[in-house]
Amino acid sequence: SQTIHQWPATLVQPVGSPLSLECTVEGTSNPNLYWYRQAAGRGLQLLFYSIGIDQISSEVPQNLSASRPQDRQFILSSKKLLLSDSGFYLCAWSVLPGWGARYGYTFGSGTRLTVV
Amino acid sequence: KQEVTQIPAALSVPEGENLVLNCSFTDSAIYNLQWFRQDPGKGLTSLLLIQSSQREQTSGRLNASLDKSSGRSTLYIAASQPGDSATYLCAVSLNAGNMLTFGGGTRLMVKP
Repeated sequence: SQTIHQWPATLVQPVGSPLSLECTVEGTSNPNLYWYRQAAGRGLQLLFYSIGIDQISSEVPQNLSASRPQDRQFILSSKKLLLSDSGFYLCAWSVLPGWGARYGYTFGSGTRLTVV
Repeated sequence: KQEVTQIPAALSVPEGENLVLNCSFTDSAIYNLQWFRQDPGKGLTSLLLIQSSQREQTSGRLNASLDKSSGRSTLYIAASQPGDSATYLCAVSLNAGNMLTFGGGTRLMVKP
């Protein structure tokens, strides 16, 4: 069966420090991968999505970046965190492009990031 | 641009009540609609997925309907229980890229 792993679960980082959040998927090949952010009192915002290795699309301008070095690995990074980067970050996957919408999305358990 | 709205934003009911959560979307050209549940501080758990060609899906005490032409979906919860307390999110997939657009959620509290 397919599983998605996301870590760490919680993270407290000072302003200006780097960030690396990792997400991996098991049990499927060539998934669509996504990073969403949920800020306090706000809805879910799509940050990045990827349809394949090194194929990343950004939905909103920000000081975050994403990379996909392997088929089932998706990394969210920042060189220098801002206070406004605080939030709940969720990784998600869907199956092959064109089929993802048919079979829906699966989300990871999330990372609570607090920038202090 | 697709916009998804959920009403009400919050709902508090006594245990045992049947309830309806509403979701509306502005662009009816969707692939599918998905209902999620989110417990405080947790990730999203998929509840029901309705394809654009379908009218409803059922899972246990949950029933989700889709009226694509009017841009509406409802999530019906029968005989609510305190364990149903959570935030319920509605999301639609776009025509391209399979990205999800989420509503703001309905925060449900079921009192014993």
